[in-house]
Amino acid sequence: GEDVEQSLFLSVREGDSSVINCTYTDSSSTYLYWYKQEPGAGLQLLTYIFSNMDMKQDQRLTVLLNKKDKHLSLRIADTQTGDSAIYFCAESLTGNTPLVFGKGTRLSVIA
Amino acid sequence: NAGVTQTPKFQVLKTGQSMTLQCAQDMNHNSMYWYRQDPGMGLRLIYYSASEGTTDKGEVPNGYNVSRLNKREFSLRLESAAPSQTSVYFCASRGGQGEAKAFFGQGTRLTVV
Repeated sequence: GEDVEQSLFLSVREGDSSVINCTYTDSSSTYLYWYKQEPGAGLQLLTYIFSNMDMKQDQRLTVLLNKKDKHLSLRIADTQTGDSAIYFCAESLTGNTPLVFGKGTRLSVIA
Repeated sequence: NAGVTQTPKFQVLKTGQSMTLQCAQDMNHNSMYWYRQDPGMGLRLIYYSASEGTTDKGEVPNGYNVSRLNKREFSLRLESAAPSQTSVYFCASRGGQGEAKAFFGQGTRLTVV
């Protein structure tokens, strides 16, 4: 079955870059996502990438996909205290199948 | 544009009581999902509906039932609540084939005592 793994914690200094990593097991996954969850809130879609892409950049966010190794990363440039949150990696086989989530990486930004 | 709306936001139930969590989306999406979030467990899929008129079990369906009332609404029912169902419940929706983005509601925080 599908499985998504993430490290649980990451701590960075304000102004540095953050890199959150994720691995997934199903090579048929078509869509790969990054969601952000702030305390007491729902999940906010940050970005997503199709499996036929290697990289996607959106302002401070850069997503890298290594399909051969089934590895996805999210880089946040110039990390701010407002970026402190839990970041979830997710994958989906098709546009109809449910998203499968990792357990989330808690990012702490130290001022 | 409200997106995905869940009601209620908070609920406390006694063991054995029943309740229905409501979810509605206004994006004309085909697919809808119910997840539960527990500390250290990430989000686990309870049930989903790929299109109006269909529902399927997810990873943790025991103790729950769902109804896809129409294209907009997807409800989750707990027939006899148990303390193990204390969790945060999220509803999500997605356009369907070719539509990547999935949007989440703000969650229902349920405590069963």
